[in-house]
Amino acid sequence: EVQLVQSGAEVKKPGESLKISCKGSGYSFTSYWIGWVRQMPGKGLEWMGIIYPGDSDTRYSPSFQGQVTISADKSISTAYLQWSSLKASDTAMYYCARVKDAFDIWGQGTMVTVSS
Amino acid sequence: DIQLTQSPSFLSASVGDRVTITCRASQGISSYLAWYQQKPGKAPKLLIYAASTLQSGVPSRFSGSGSGTEFTLTISSLQPEDFATYYCQQLNSYAFGPGTKVDIK
Repeated sequence: EVQLVQSGAEVKKPGESLKISCKGSGYSFTSYWIGWVRQMPGKGLEWMGIIYPGDSDTRYSPSFQGQVTISADKSISTAYLQWSSLKASDTAMYYCARVKDAFDIWGQGTMVTVSS
Repeated sequence: DIQLTQSPSFLSASVGDRVTITCRASQGISSYLAWYQQKPGKAPKLLIYAASTLQSGVPSRFSGSGSGTEFTLTISSLQPEDFATYYCQQLNSYAFGPGTKVDIK
């Protein structure tokens, strides 16, 4: 079964760092781009960026360039989304998705809550 | 940047209704468009890609059409499980439209 499994919910304080993960299985992880999508509470979907795990080529949405870092470790079929200094406005659900024709397979989401 | 708009933002419909949602791009995007369904508390689900290609496993009551700047998602006969929010996405820059919530009349 093709699936993406994301790491669990996180509760952090402003200024803290965080790295969340997305592990692929059931397909060749290095052959498809992985995208990250933010959904703030009660709001729509926002594309953040994509990475090609085969060579770590990464593209960012202009809205998120410099705000987050996307990376991947192909040896363990895992993509990452990280922040160096969280803000309250980073509170959201974050999804990863495989890019095949469109975003065809989605992870279950990781809820990140940033609160003092 | 190419912007996507969706209309309506919200629609109220009954089981069995034919429902049409429109997505407009600020510039031509050929057929590089996808449609997703999202239910509360769940990840989005791909319905259609390349503007009109039905994703495997998606019921045939869903269909997509259009190219260039105007696209439509049609549900031919709305079922109880179709009440959800629908998003379009352009597949050049991966930006999403603002969404259309389909609610029960």
